[in-house]
Amino acid sequence: AQKVTQAQTEISVVEKEDVTLDCVYETRDTTYYLFWYKQPPSGELVFLIRRNSFDEQNEISGRYSWNFQKSTSSFNFTITASQVVDSAVYFCALSSIRSILTGGGNKLTFGTGTQLKVEL
Amino acid sequence: ETGVTQTPRHLVMGMTNKKSLKCEQHLGHNAMYWYKQSAKKPLELMFVYSLEERVENNSVPSRFSPECPNSSHLFLHLHTLQPEDSALYLCASSPGLAGGQTGELFFGEGSRLTVL
Repeated sequence: AQKVTQAQTEISVVEKEDVTLDCVYETRDTTYYLFWYKQPPSGELVFLIRRNSFDEQNEISGRYSWNFQKSTSSFNFTITASQVVDSAVYFCALSSIRSILTGGGNKLTFGTGTQLKVEL
Repeated sequence: ETGVTQTPRHLVMGMTNKKSLKCEQHLGHNAMYWYKQSAKKPLELMFVYSLEERVENNSVPSRFSPECPNSSHLFLHLHTLQPEDSALYLCASSPGLAGGQTGELFFGEGSRLTVL
């Protein structure tokens, strides 16, 4: 069974502050994908990043950065110099690569999400 | 524009009504999904279709009936729903094996369903 835990239900910051969203996962698979999605008020989930379980290299993309620690089963997401437009619900998700390769589709397991509010 | 379009965006129905949610993807993908998003709960996978065949039915009550007539369209037929079925229903697609699976799903904006 797979499980994704986002312990922070809501975070409020002032614009230009840095903010880190935590994600801890559980899986018995040895190969898997981890994702972060953003859900603005419009509703659709917007894909932000995917990491493979065998690639622990951390990544920075503009104001976004990700810290993947396989030893602690964590995949945290940091927004630097937050902006009001970053206000949204952020979801961490996990899927099994084996399921994809065996034709079972890409069945993502999501966390409960973290509501980020960035205020002026 | 996400490439995955869902209609209607909002739906209010009584418990005895029959209605359908529609999803269309313009991305050339081979797999499509229905997810249910309820308040304070993780997104729940409902159904997965790969190459128009259902590959997952995640213990969903029979009052929800999916249909995938081709790889671009996915429906969710609703009948005799309960108030607890009120939620945001999200459709997603992915390239699938034939298209080179990269893992991520592409989501529509969802259909907000209210059951009275």
